[in-house]
Amino acid sequence: DAGVTQSPTHLIKTRGQQVTLRCSPKSGHDTVSWYQQALGQGPQFIFQYYEEEERQRGNFPDRFSGHQFPNYSSELNVNALLLGDSALYLCASSSPTAKGDTQYFGPGTRLTVL
Amino acid sequence: QKEVEQNSGPLSVPEGAIASLNCTYSDRGSQSFFWYRQYSGKSPELIMSIYSNGDKEDGRFTAQLNKASQYVSLLIRDSQPSDSATYLCAARTGGFKTIFGAGTRLFVKA
Repeated sequence: DAGVTQSPTHLIKTRGQQVTLRCSPKSGHDTVSWYQQALGQGPQFIFQYYEEEERQRGNFPDRFSGHQFPNYSSELNVNALLLGDSALYLCASSSPTAKGDTQYFGPGTRLTVL
Repeated sequence: QKEVEQNSGPLSVPEGAIASLNCTYSDRGSQSFFWYRQYSGKSPELIMSIYSNGDKEDGRFTAQLNKASQYVSLLIRDSQPSDSATYLCAARTGGFKTIFGAGTRLFVKA
């Protein structure tokens, strides 16, 4: 049973650049949520995708955008990168048929902005 | 601002002891609660979920929920050095957003 996968593992960008992170959900899951985790903090909710639509968004600027594909995989795009965007970006998948919408995390993408 | 609060620790317990981790949440509409374990440099790993008031046991772990007090706890019995990690408490709001606490660092001394 394949778990949640993310790519790339690590990424180094410079300020002002754009980045795309990718996520494939766990087999049987159709919902993908993205989180940003800064060092020493808990994950912060960016947004959730279901049926190829963003259905809830956290307190993140429009520079953060996403997409979900028909196969349920998802992308997170961040434009005009700032130093403060350096963090671990986590993708979590879930299925609305599972009680409580339990989320399972991928290994994350470590983004460093120089 | 809906929040989940945890004591950052570190919490240090000797091997074999019971570790008690606590969490409070502000949104009374929250219905689902989760405990995750996160090792340094790794992603969060689900330990338990709890939805109803009372206790839920899974092996060495027991989660406790008190919705009236807006309080969630995790007990780890017979703590092992491999349990040393950061424990994240999370609450799902009335919508689709899950809010995480900042985590409690646990050290289990051999």
